[in-house]
Amino acid sequence: DTEVTQTPKHLVMGMTNKKSLKCEQHMGHRAMYWYKQKAKKPPELMFVYSYEKLSINESVPSRFSPECPNSSLLNLHLHALQPEDSALYLCASSQEGGAGGELFFGEGSRLTVL
Amino acid sequence: GEDVEQSLFLSVREGDSSVINCTYTDSSSTYLYWYKQEPGAGLQLLTYIFSNMDMKQDQRLTVLLNKKDKHLSLRIADTQTGDSAIYFCAESGTGGFKTIFGAGTRLFVKA
Repeated sequence: DTEVTQTPKHLVMGMTNKKSLKCEQHMGHRAMYWYKQKAKKPPELMFVYSYEKLSINESVPSRFSPECPNSSLLNLHLHALQPEDSALYLCASSQEGGAGGELFFGEGSRLTVL
Repeated sequence: GEDVEQSLFLSVREGDSSVINCTYTDSSSTYLYWYKQEPGAGLQLLTYIFSNMDMKQDQRLTVLLNKKDKHLSLRIADTQTGDSAIYFCAESGTGGFKTIFGAGTRLFVKA
């Protein structure tokens, strides 16, 4: 199984809503990532979890709250988002410290904030 | 800081070879990657090369690395319409979690 699965594929939410994005991998990878991708732009790193601990937070606003319940799951909790937060949110995983840091990406969750 | 640059657009005819170029600034880059993104999808790793290599070939894909000039290229032989996508050049160092992506080159293949 070499897949990273993300749900939901599409999400529309208002600025006062609370929602969550979910990501799952069963490759035994110990590092998991959230990226944000705007149209026609490269992915921008948001958070990295290594061995279920938050390793990197790229100064992301607190309205985005990551959570890593176990080594296979990664969540991104969303609250009080702004329309400019509309983007494709990509989850990725990689082996810890090896294999050239190859990232395995999910298909993404396309978020629209009204 | 680290930077990765690539041309934004390339158009080729089906059956021709495509060459996508990339330059990077971080001399400590250990791994250099090419990712492909099709519309509405996530990124998929196509190939990667270690910084101590000059060339890597994988079926229709050839990666050339000029470490002195910090220049990376991806050649796709016999380009097909299914190769139409955005190709991201990326680099990372040893053991780090940060992968720096270029802006992406949009490859358009004309039938």
